Parts: sequence; structure tokens; C-alpha cells
Amino acid sequence: EPEVTQTPSHQVTQMGQEVILRCVPISNHLYFYWYRQILGQKVEFLVSFYNNEISEKSEIFDDQFSVERPDGSNFTLKIRSTKLEDSAMYFCASRDRLGQYFGPGTRLLVL
Amino acid sequence: AQSVTQLDSHVSVSEGTPVLLRCNYSSSYSPSLFWYVQHPNKGLQLLLKYTSAATLVKGINGFEAEFKKSETSFHLTKPSAHMSDAAEYFCVVSDLGGGSTLGRLYFGRGTQLTVWP
Repeated sequence: EPEVTQTPSHQVTQMGQEVILRCVPISNHLYFYWYRQILGQKVEFLVSFYNNEISEKSEIFDDQFSVERPDGSNFTLKIRSTKLEDSAMYFCASRDRLGQYFGPGTRLLVL
Repeated sequence: AQSVTQLDSHVSVSEGTPVLLRCNYSSSYSPSLFWYVQHPNKGLQLLLKYTSAATLVKGINGFEAEFKKSETSFHLTKPSAHMSDAAEYFCVVSDLGGGSTLGRLYFGRGTQLTVWP
């Protein structure tokens, strides 16, 4: 059964460093999403992406964040200058008519 | 605005007994509602979704949920728990109604289900 994959599973970085989180959505899906979950808090929407552009973003998704679909399979989330409060589990999702399908997440720790 | 409240952060049941995970929602629209499950080190898996077609929704692994508009609830149930059901369960509402899956999802805080042998 096709599934969304994410790499790396864990990432540790220093505050101020750039990180890129990678996702491979399900191959025939056209809508892609990033969510995050800070430890002990709810899963929060970050951004949705369709037709090579952002279709919606939350208030969390400020200028430090960007998304890209650099080729036909990958979907990336970049954080330009990480802050301590960016430490969280980041989930990628892609969608068909039945629902959104999530990857296993990348746990990001900013020191 | 859309939101969900999961009334229990932890639920423990014995194997073979019924499961009830409670969820109340708030939505400006006729809501789209979902339950997702997350097993350790796995992604969020869609269990079931509510469209406007039927108030009792059947999902995978024997789970079902009933949409009750008058109570703004969407509780998840299963008649007989299995050890493999132990996981975290999320009640989710979408900001587009009518069964749409298009919109951003709003998650509850999650309910950790423990199943005792």
C-alpha cells in the first residue's frame, strides 16, 4: 500500500542553523501539507501546497519557513534560522478524495 | 472557527471490553470530522471520516463513530478491544464542511488508549 515517507526520522541542530525536512508524498496525490506537534501540544497546521504554490498557510508559517517541490516526488520544508521553539515533530501529508495521509514524522530538536 | 475537544487524555480498557473515546467539536459549518490513529513510530492513519451521508460511520479495524449534531459529538467506539488497538487517537475537524477533505485539519489533543491483557 502506498504511503507517505519522511526523512530524516530525527534531526538535531543548533539554534540559527538551517534545516530541510524531506517528504515523499503518495505518487498520484496533488495536495500536500505540513503540520507540526510541539511536545505536549496539539498537532498544528503549517501550510498547504497545490500546483507548485502555497494555497494556505497558518500564522505559524512566517518568513523563516518555506516549502518547495523541487522535483516530481519530493516535498520539502525549510526552516532558515531555527529557534528553540521550532523543536517539534513535523508531519507531512498528501491528500486524495478520501482524506489526508500522513507520514511518520521528523522529530526536530533545536539546541 | 473550528476546534475539537477530546475529553480524555488517557483511556485504559481490558482486552475484549468496549472502547469509548470521546470527542466534541465546534464548527462554523456542517463539519467534516475524522478520527486518526497513531501507533508508535508510525504516521497518522485515517480510521474513519464523517460525510453528511450517514451519522454512523464505520471505519477500519472494527471502529465506528456516531455524529450527533444536537450534542456536537463524534465519539469513537469499538465493541471489543484488542491489544493491537493500543495507540494514540486523534479527533480531527476540517475547516470545510460537507465531507470535504480539502481544508486544513484541526486536531484534538489526542487520547492515549491502553489495552490490558
